[in-house]
Amino acid sequence: DTAVSQTPKYLVTQMGNDKSIKCEQNLGHDTMYWYKQDSKKFLKIMFSYNNKELIINETVPNRFSPKSPDKAHLNLHINSLELGDSAVYFCASSFSRPNLADRDISLVQETQYFGPGTRLLVL
Amino acid sequence: DAKTTQPPSMDCAEGRAANLPCNHSTISGNEYVYWYRQIHSQGPQYIIHGLKNNETNEMASLIITEDRKSSTLILPHATLRDTAVYYCIVRAPFWGNTPLVFGKGTRLSVIA
Repeated sequence: DTAVSQTPKYLVTQMGNDKSIKCEQNLGHDTMYWYKQDSKKFLKIMFSYNNKELIINETVPNRFSPKSPDKAHLNLHINSLELGDSAVYFCASSFSRPNLADRDISLVQETQYFGPGTRLLVL
Repeated sequence: DAKTTQPPSMDCAEGRAANLPCNHSTISGNEYVYWYRQIHSQGPQYIIHGLKNNETNEMASLIITEDRKSSTLILPHATLRDTAVYYCIVRAPFWGNTPLVFGKGTRLSVIA
């Protein structure tokens, strides 16, 4: 059984189009992430959701809009695609648990499990 | 920016131990050392993590120096399938802190 799955695996599209990438995890995790890996192979966090709530947004253009309908899904919608959006997009998930050792209770992010990636090519 | 320094590439003979070093001289007290790897065209795969004690699991061993400024990932019997880019990451796994930041990693080539 695939733990973290993404669709589609490959996506080729024209500049200016709008496209969506879907991610699903069956691990029962409550936190999901989107990463982007560019042509130089640098892997960078884009977004993180905990219990359907946006937690991390790493200065990503607002053409990118993540949507989490439930804890098991985190979809990525991209408007007005640009050439520079060509990359591999990875979804990941993890548990988060309260850090009770911290006076201001924060969430501890457990180990992240990654999906197989979606290869986006914008022409 | 990644807070770790790794050699860009290493070779290892099949069946031998692969020792991958990582320097993290600015690591702070609540930061863990994580290791992930990425086999060509696949998503990153978690290997192991530790705070200050040495750790071992079914995939690898992690040796952290006493001052925590460096660590070594050991694959005890490397196989061709271990050929991948290995990432050493330091982070405090709490919300509000830096998320997983991947550097350039070490490209390990296991040779028959």
